[in-house]
Amino acid sequence: QKEVEQNSGPLSVPEGAIASLNCTYSDRGSQSFFWYRQYSGKSPELIMFIYSNGDKEDGRFTAQLNKASQYVSLLIRDSQPSDSATYLCAVNTGGGNKLTFGTGTQLKVEL
Amino acid sequence: DAGVTQSPTHLIKTRGQQVTLRCSPKSGHDTVSWYQQALGQGPQFIFQYYEEEERQRGNFPDRFSGHQFPNYSSELNVNALLLGDSALYLCASSLGVGGSEKLFFGSGTQLSVL
Repeated sequence: QKEVEQNSGPLSVPEGAIASLNCTYSDRGSQSFFWYRQYSGKSPELIMFIYSNGDKEDGRFTAQLNKASQYVSLLIRDSQPSDSATYLCAVNTGGGNKLTFGTGTQLKVEL
Repeated sequence: DAGVTQSPTHLIKTRGQQVTLRCSPKSGHDTVSWYQQALGQGPQFIFQYYEEEERQRGNFPDRFSGHQFPNYSSELNVNALLLGDSALYLCASSLGVGGSEKLFFGSGTQLSVL
């Protein structure tokens, strides 16, 4: 079992819709969770982080964490073509800055 | 305010050779982490340097080594290159070893091993 699992996609949504990206993790001791956006040929860019169960909102982005189910998700409201990218879920399991990444979900926002 | 800078941008090597990649952290940051990202995969943690010492290491062989200098910049060395070492190598910097939410990535070095 992979430590961090994501559906590779592609996930296609129409412009203006809500995009829902999901991630599961295996280590119950994980304390912090991150969502990165990576455009093709570019480096990952942090867009959200969450530590506590529940929802965390920042603009059009909402991160949701359920530690009991070992599940973290990212919602993107009013999706725009510029949101088309690969979204990487990352989990800090060992402290420090050792992040374990999923393989990423490719999101395509269509006009 | 300069971000994380990496050099070179691209590199082509042949099997068995050795390579050195360089990273300058974001201004004010003192910790450097290195990640390897193969095509279609998420980044994999190689190691982290703080106060010129390797603090954490991922599941990479000893062919991968590093160094941090007093000015906080860092080098990643890979010996006896294999075809499977072809990947994007990312450097990330932060202030201290626990600030994952403030981890900034450089633009990476694309290594091709022929």
